[in-house]
Amino acid sequence: EPEVTQTPSHQVTQMGQEVILRCVPISNHLYFYWYRQILGQKVEFLVSFYNNEISEKSEIFDDQFSVERPDGSNFTLKIRSTKLEDSAMYFCASSGDRDEANQPQHFGDGTRLSIL
Amino acid sequence: AQSVTQPDIHITVSEGASLELRCNYSYGATPYLFWYVQSPGQGLQLLLKYFSGDTLVQGIKGFEAEFKRSQSSFNLRKPSVHWSDAAEYFCAVGVSGNTPLVFGKGTRLSVIA
Repeated sequence: EPEVTQTPSHQVTQMGQEVILRCVPISNHLYFYWYRQILGQKVEFLVSFYNNEISEKSEIFDDQFSVERPDGSNFTLKIRSTKLEDSAMYFCASSGDRDEANQPQHFGDGTRLSIL
Repeated sequence: AQSVTQPDIHITVSEGASLELRCNYSYGATPYLFWYVQSPGQGLQLLLKYFSGDTLVQGIKGFEAEFKRSQSSFNLRKPSVHWSDAAEYFCAVGVSGNTPLVFGKGTRLSVIA
């Protein structure tokens, strides 16, 4: 069964540094998402992406964050200047294809981001 | 705005016993409802979904859930729990399949012999 893959599985970064989290969504999916889960808390929506542009974003997704689909397969989340409170598990998800747009979201295994 | 409440933070059941995990949602229209499971160190795996139609939906691993509009609930059930079911379970609601999901805080399931 096709799956969403995320790299790296764990990223350790110094505060203030830039970090890029990478995701390869399911190949025929059209909708892409980033969520995060701070340790012990619930999963929170960050941003959704469709047709090469952001379709929705939450209050968490401020100017420090950006997303990009640099080619036909990757979907990245960049945090420009990391803060301690950015430490979390970041999940990528994808959904919807041309035959059936309304489908559930499939999640990757996540990238654990630790800010020192 | 949508919201999801999972009243039980932690539930412990014996292997072979039945299970019901509660989920209540708040949304003005007919919601799209999901249950996801997260094993330690793993991602979120879709157990089942409700979009429309039959209010009792079957999922993977022997799980089922029932949508009750009058109670704004979407409780997850399994008739006989296996030790491998120990995990964190998240209920989520969306406007459609392709819109941001709002998650509950999760229920941690422990299974004892």
